[in-house]
This record gives sequence, structure tokens and C-alpha cells, in this order.
Amino acid sequence: NAGVTQTPKFQVLKTGQSMTLQCAQDMNHNSMYWYRQDPGMGLRLIYYSASEGTTDKGEVPNGYNVSRLNKREFSLRLESAAPSQTSVYFCASSDSGGAGYEQYFGPGTRLTVT
Amino acid sequence: KNEVEQSPQNLTAQEGEFITINCSYSVGISALHWLQQHPGGGIVSLFMLSSGKKKHGRLIATINIQEKHSSLHITASHPRDSAVYICANSGAGSYQLTFGKGTKLSVIP
Repeated sequence: NAGVTQTPKFQVLKTGQSMTLQCAQDMNHNSMYWYRQDPGMGLRLIYYSASEGTTDKGEVPNGYNVSRLNKREFSLRLESAAPSQTSVYFCASSDSGGAGYEQYFGPGTRLTVT
Repeated sequence: KNEVEQSPQNLTAQEGEFITINCSYSVGISALHWLQQHPGGGIVSLFMLSSGKKKHGRLIATINIQEKHSSLHITASHPRDSAVYICANSGAGSYQLTFGKGTKLSVIP
């Protein structure tokens, strides 16, 4: 039981390049989330998927797209990376959505855009 | 707007001390979460509570809904408790958690 896995762990991009961050969970959870964590700021929600087949914007969605590929997988795509997207990205999942459910986090992806 | 404030930002304690981390929030909530982030970066959920008190080992979390305040206590602190502790909440029915900036705890032997 791996929980929530993310790939890659580290990535360096040049401005304008694109990439996809992958996330998978093996807990049969319905809801999945993408967050970014920046120094001096709390975690901020980028996008979430309340259930398979649905996605919604969070607090900071600009510059990102997501795909809920199936119940297990939720990917985050940067179409044209910018230095402001340098951050640590966390994927999380929960049995259902809303604040009343415990969220399980992946190990994070450290992204640097030069 | 839902705002979550934590205090203190940084805390250094001697091993064995009793530690309290505070969390205040601005809107009514359905649940409040306490999370732990170790220096390696991984984030683990410690507690989720909507009323009263919860205890797990040396960790105790309390919440006062009327005062919109929660505390995380660590009894008999140990160097392995050194981490960033984060509280988060959300309004009823919302999928979006709002996170505090975290409290960095260092426990010195």
C-alpha cells in the first residue's frame, strides 16, 4: 500500500517549457487535490477533483491545467512554465471532499523554473 | 474571507518541555486539521476535529468553536517532534482547505 505517489521528485524547467506532474493513489479515494507550497506562505489549492470525472479550480489555478485520468490518477500540467511557478507541489487525496475528511499527502515535487 | 493565523511562527524548546501551538480562524468551520511537516518535506495528518479534544500519544488537540480557536499541545517534547506544524480549516460544505503558514518547532536535547 503505497498511499499517494508523485513523479517526478525534482524537476528543473526553462521558462516556456511544459511538463506534467503525475499523482496516483491506491486508497480508492474519491477526491484528489493539487497544492503548491511557497516559502512564507501556507499551502494553496491549485485544482481539485471532488470525484472521478470532475475538476474544479482552487485558489491559484492560473497557468495550470489538470486531468482526472481515472479514480486513481490526477495529473497537473504546466503548459508554459514561468519562474513564478517555482514551488513545491503536493498532491493529496481524501475519501470524499470537504473539510470533514482527512487528507493524505504525497511526498511532493520540487520544481524550479529558470 | 477565511483566514487562518498561527502562533508562534517559530518555537524552540528544551527536551521534556510542554509545548502549545495556537491557531485562530475567522469563519465558522466544519472541521479543523492539524498537520505535521518534517524537514524532509512530507506532510502527515495528525488530527481532524470539530469539537472538544482529541489525544494521540503525547499530542493533544483542542478546539473552541465559539472563540474560533484551536491549540495543539505536545507533552514531554522530544527532538523527533522537531517539525513544522500546520493548521487548516474550511467552511461547511467547502472543498477548499485554508492553511496557516505553519509553526516551526525545534526541540533541543
